Amino acid sequence: AQTVTQSQPEMSVQEAETVTLSCTYDTSESNYYLFWYKQPPSRQMILVIRQEAYKQQNATENRFSVNFQKAAKSFSLKISDSQLGDTAMYFCAFMKHLGGANSKLTFGKGITLSVRP
Amino acid sequence: DSGVTQTPKHLITATGQRVTLRCSPRSGDLSVYWYQQSLDQGLQFLIQYYNGEERAKGNILERFSAQQFPDLHSELNLSSLELGDSALYFCASAGGIYNEQFFGPGTRLTVL
Repeated sequence: AQTVTQSQPEMSVQEAETVTLSCTYDTSESNYYLFWYKQPPSRQMILVIRQEAYKQQNATENRFSVNFQKAAKSFSLKISDSQLGDTAMYFCAFMKHLGGANSKLTFGKGITLSVRP
Repeated sequence: DSGVTQTPKHLITATGQRVTLRCSPRSGDLSVYWYQQSLDQGLQFLIQYYNGEERAKGNILERFSAQQFPDLHSELNLSSLELGDSALYFCASAGGIYNEQFFGPGTRLTVL
């Protein structure tokens, strides 16, 4: 079974600074998908970024980028120019296949990020 | 707005009772997933439906059941409720090329 570990329970960053959230996972699969989801105080789960394991290039979405290290099974999220609206809980998630019976998301425990004004 | 709707937003009930949570997926999405978020268990996958058929099961209790109807909306039925069932229940739908899961706003269940 796959496991996702987020070992930092909380982090804090100054507005406009850069912060990196860590995630490691364990799987015997060679191809899979990794995600970061954001959960603000409203509790809505919002997809931030997606990475396919077969792609060597790290995914980027505006101020959000990932550092995907397949051999190390590491998948960190970098948030540049942090904004107050980035304050939220961030979940790292693993998916074996995009569709079918193995497309469930396995989540880490999450990390609470606070952006200070 | 993800396009996924869930009703009700909040539900307060007593132990031993039965409740039904409803989810309407995004237009065109055939897959529906149910997840439970609780303080002690975190976010856990419960069950998946695809076009009306059960596709995968996770850590879903026998007291819980779900179904997906021909119009693709889904219902999660929770019976013989216990205090520990208090949680936020999310529905997510998926479809399209990337089959990304988009989450509804959740139903907050409180069992007293």
